[in-house]
Formats: sequence, C-alpha cells, structure tokens
Amino acid sequence: AQTVTQSQPEMSVQEAETVTLSCTYDTSESDYYLFWYKQPPSRQMILVIRQEAYKQQNATENRFSVNFQKAAKSFSLKISDSQLGDAAMYFCASIIGNQFYFGTGTSLTVIP
Amino acid sequence: ETGVTQSPTHLIKTRGQQVTLRCSSQSGHNTVSWYQQALGQGPQFIFQYYREEENGRGNFPPRFSGLQFPNYSSELNVNALELDDSALYLCASSFQAGWEKSYRNRGGRGYTFGSGTRLTVV
Repeated sequence: AQTVTQSQPEMSVQEAETVTLSCTYDTSESDYYLFWYKQPPSRQMILVIRQEAYKQQNATENRFSVNFQKAAKSFSLKISDSQLGDAAMYFCASIIGNQFYFGTGTSLTVIP
Repeated sequence: ETGVTQSPTHLIKTRGQQVTLRCSSQSGHNTVSWYQQALGQGPQFIFQYYREEENGRGNFPPRFSGLQFPNYSSELNVNALELDDSALYLCASSFQAGWEKSYRNRGGRGYTFGSGTRLTVV
C-alpha cells in the first residue's frame, strides 16, 4: 500500500519569510522516491524537488529544501525567502513503478 | 521543445454521455499517463500508455479507456458519464527506454504534466 498525507489544507507566509509544509507517507517498498509538486492557477503540475529514499542527505533546490525523516516517514518542504510567485497548491507525492501517489495538497498564500 | 498540450481546456457534458480528451506528449517522449484530480483532492492515476499499449492501470472502471497513437499522443475516453466524473484530467508524458519498462530504476524522473482538461458533468 502507498499513502501520502498532507494535514495542512492551507498555509500562509509573509513575503521573504520561511514556511514549512508537512507531509507523511506510508509505503511497503524499500526503494522509493518522494516529490513535492507545485500547481499554480495554470493547473500544470511543476516539479519542485525530488528525494531518493536511499539517500540520507536532504535534497535542496535553491530556496527549496526538504527535511526527510525516513524512520518517521516524514517529508516536509521548507521554502525560504518566500516570493509572491510561490503562491500555489503544493502536493507531496511518491512513486511506485510508473504510478504517482499524491497527497491532498496544501494551498500556500504569500502575503506581500 | 514543446511541452504537453491538452485539449479542450474546459468541457461540459451531460450525465450518460461520452467524452474524449486529448493529450499531445512532449517532443521526445513516448509514454503518456492520465490522472483524475477531483476538487480538493490530489491527482489519482487512471492508466499509462507506452508504445500504444496500456502499461498499468489504477482503480478506475472499464468505462475509462484510452488510446495512444504512433506519434505518442493519447486520448482518454469516458463512457456513460457520471456526476462524480467531474474533475480536472491531467496527462503527463515521459520517455521510457525499452529495457526499463518497469520504471523502477527511473524513480519518477522526467515527467512533464499538461495543464489539464476541466470536465463538468451535469
């Protein structure tokens, strides 16, 4: 079984501040990958960051970084120096084979 | 390099009707996956097509069917529409080499999503 849970339906952050979005997952796989995708009003899913579960080191992409706690099955996304363009729905996801499993999303508002 | 194009962008259908949604894959990609995203939910996997054959299916009834064409574009067909079929339908293309058909060693790399078709069933 593969489940992804996002418990924060909505979050807000002041421009230039830092925000953390939470995600937990459950999997029976030993080798898996985790993702954060961004879905702006244009509706296209855009990859933010990818984490390989066998790697201890947390992935980073510019202002975006993750805190991957494998034992706790937790995978949070930290956005530093938030910008107005970061406002969007954020989905945590995992992949098994060729199938993505998405959480229910967190709507992020950036306050000017 | 062109991205993934979906058509139409919006569509309204009546319960019981049939609908066809279209997806043009990104240049160089040979695989198309379809997802259903209901309001307030994350996308759910419907199925994937690789080299014109279905290559994995999620928990969707047979009235959801698909095609992939030699140019790797794809169609999603839904028969006997129900109100609960109202959703955003996303497609995603990727490149799959024959020897890694299982995807296990690709780890989700190289997927490009389209902007979806918003289907409303009334």
